[in-house]
Amino acid sequence: NAGVTQTPKFQVLKTGQSMTLQCAQDMNHNSMYWYRQDPGMGLRLIYYSASEGTTDKGEVPNGYNVSRLNKREFSLRLESAAPSQTSVYFCASSGPPPDYGYTFGSGTRLTVV
Amino acid sequence: SQELEQSPQSLIVQEGKNLTINCTSSKTLYGLYWYKQKYGEGLIFLMMLQKGGEEKSHEKITAKLDEKKQQSSLHITASQPSHAGIYLCGADSPTSGTYKYIFGTGTRLKVLA
Repeated sequence: NAGVTQTPKFQVLKTGQSMTLQCAQDMNHNSMYWYRQDPGMGLRLIYYSASEGTTDKGEVPNGYNVSRLNKREFSLRLESAAPSQTSVYFCASSGPPPDYGYTFGSGTRLTVV
Repeated sequence: SQELEQSPQSLIVQEGKNLTINCTSSKTLYGLYWYKQKYGEGLIFLMMLQKGGEEKSHEKITAKLDEKKQQSSLHITASQPSHAGIYLCGADSPTSGTYKYIFGTGTRLKVLA
């Protein structure tokens, strides 16, 4: 089924460890995004990629890096995890105008201890 | 399933004018979020409302949630060209087992200088 696939679904890290969250979409969308969801904060944009080969910072980029590997894949890396990065992470993609609709992945629940 | 309907779908206003965007839910809202989006730049979280009758403001934008928690409005005072974009309301969708998040249909705002 077409959509956005995120892995892993759950992860527990120790402070200082690193990890990469993977995201892939098969809808031929140009734009891809990484969000984090914290209680009472709504979705906050970490990084986005408007098209293959470009990435830009969102609202809360500190502590993260991203790679737009190709048109399908957009990964998020935590180089040195901190407890403040405990959150639910969502990858999303969107098509060109006039369709601004988002397709979200199922999320990754990350706990940093 | 829960749905969020926004009105109007699009809006063109002269700079300096006030405007209101509405978001109506088919079910009681337990968390209502407002976002602003520019194409390819991802969603920017504006405000979250949880309690019936709650009202929050940020700069010239005010959001309200009605007492029955089924309708929210976003009001922009003295609009500026920088307010242009797409405004989306979002809500947590209570679904057992899997996290779900839904968005309204979106309102495209254009502000004429």
